[in-house]
Amino acid sequence: DAKTTQPPSMDCAEGRAANLPCNHSTISGNEYVYWYRQIHSQGPQYIIHGLKNNETNEMASLIITEDRKSSTLILPHATLRDTAVYYCIVRVVHSGYALNFGKGTSLLVTP
Amino acid sequence: SQTIHQWPATLVQPVGSPLSLECTVEGTSNPNLYWYRQAAGRGLQLLFYSIGIDQISSEVPQNLSASRPQDRQFILSSKKLLLSDSGFYLCAWSAQGADNSPLHFGNGTRLTVT
Repeated sequence: DAKTTQPPSMDCAEGRAANLPCNHSTISGNEYVYWYRQIHSQGPQYIIHGLKNNETNEMASLIITEDRKSSTLILPHATLRDTAVYYCIVRVVHSGYALNFGKGTSLLVTP
Repeated sequence: SQTIHQWPATLVQPVGSPLSLECTVEGTSNPNLYWYRQAAGRGLQLLFYSIGIDQISSEVPQNLSASRPQDRQFILSSKKLLLSDSGFYLCAWSAQGADNSPLHFGNGTRLTVT
């Protein structure tokens, strides 16, 4: 299974774009990249996922490099409510398509 | 739209007591179901997953068991709780038959074993 590497923590000023990087250099051709976030004491919240192409939804944008070895989650205008742990995940196909969560990046959005 | 319900939200149980946590999903049929645990300050650990009624797979040997008596009901149980069973228990579902379907999580149950 592909592993992911994320910085343990990041800061971002409120109103600015938050760019969260993720390395997944051993990803296979048919493995999707998923991003979730977890606000303290809540269940993880799905943000976005992609295979090859860049994706955008109402929450964020996902930029995947051409070789698919890394990706960046972009929160275009971070707010204080975006403070959370952000997880970049590659799916575990053999476990009923479960997700293997790592340690994630703790994002702190400051006023 | 689909919704997932977990209860109770918090639970305090003495060591050696039984446990039953319930999870139900509405608005979808034949979902994949999952139980995760998050110990204090740790990451999420997959405990069980199910691709159908009475089809349960365990990821980690432990003091817990899971059952799926109905299509959209997933139950996590223990006969005798240990202190190490304390943690944040999360149920999740994903659409069956779609290998890129995201998981959707409930709000979790925070279990404290005393």
